[in-house]
Amino acid sequence: ILNVEQSPQSLHVQEGDSTNFTCSFPSSNFYALHWYRWETAKSPEALFVMTLNGDEKKKGRISATLNTKEGYSYLYIKGSQPEDSATYLCAPFVGGGNKLTFGTGTQLKVEL
Amino acid sequence: GAVVSQHPSWVICKSGTSVKIECRSLDFQATTMFWYRQFPKQSLMLMATSNEGSKATYEQGVEKDKFLINHASLTLSTLTVTSAHPEDSSFYICSGERGETQYFGPGTRLLVL
Repeated sequence: ILNVEQSPQSLHVQEGDSTNFTCSFPSSNFYALHWYRWETAKSPEALFVMTLNGDEKKKGRISATLNTKEGYSYLYIKGSQPEDSATYLCAPFVGGGNKLTFGTGTQLKVEL
Repeated sequence: GAVVSQHPSWVICKSGTSVKIECRSLDFQATTMFWYRQFPKQSLMLMATSNEGSKATYEQGVEKDKFLINHASLTLSTLTVTSAHPEDSSFYICSGERGETQYFGPGTRLLVL
């Protein structure tokens, strides 16, 4: 079983704050890493697919970086808004397969 | 684009009955669909990989006779929980694969009394 850890488990920030959280995964046989945003009662939404060491991807105020050598990815949110409140999940592919192994997620709540 | 629906979103049933959950890709064709399960405070756990026109591949520890998967078309996969028991109560969610990304449905919460 692949060990995928996300930290922190939950996070409360004020509107306008910037925040970041971490996804750690085994660095051997790395293939790709997915980030998802999951709002309550909705479908998880695909944010990024990252494959190359040093990759940095951006979508609006959200960006992510990848370090495959040390086995971690950071997700950053700049100027958090209440609509950013969600659980953020990471899931690496390892060994070239197509199976996602999910972390338990970081639950973000942005307060006014 | 890339919308996946699931039906029902909620189901309550008596112990011993069977429950069918449908997963549909609405605007794309999904040769491969995946079924996951999530228990409280745990991560999404892959149960099985469903390929259109062939038998599903189950993850270790998942009983194939209990969780029947049918992927008869490129837009529909079904998961049937046979003879459901209270320990099968969980959140079940499916995804369809398009390119390098899996697109998820909203999930089905099953409560077995």
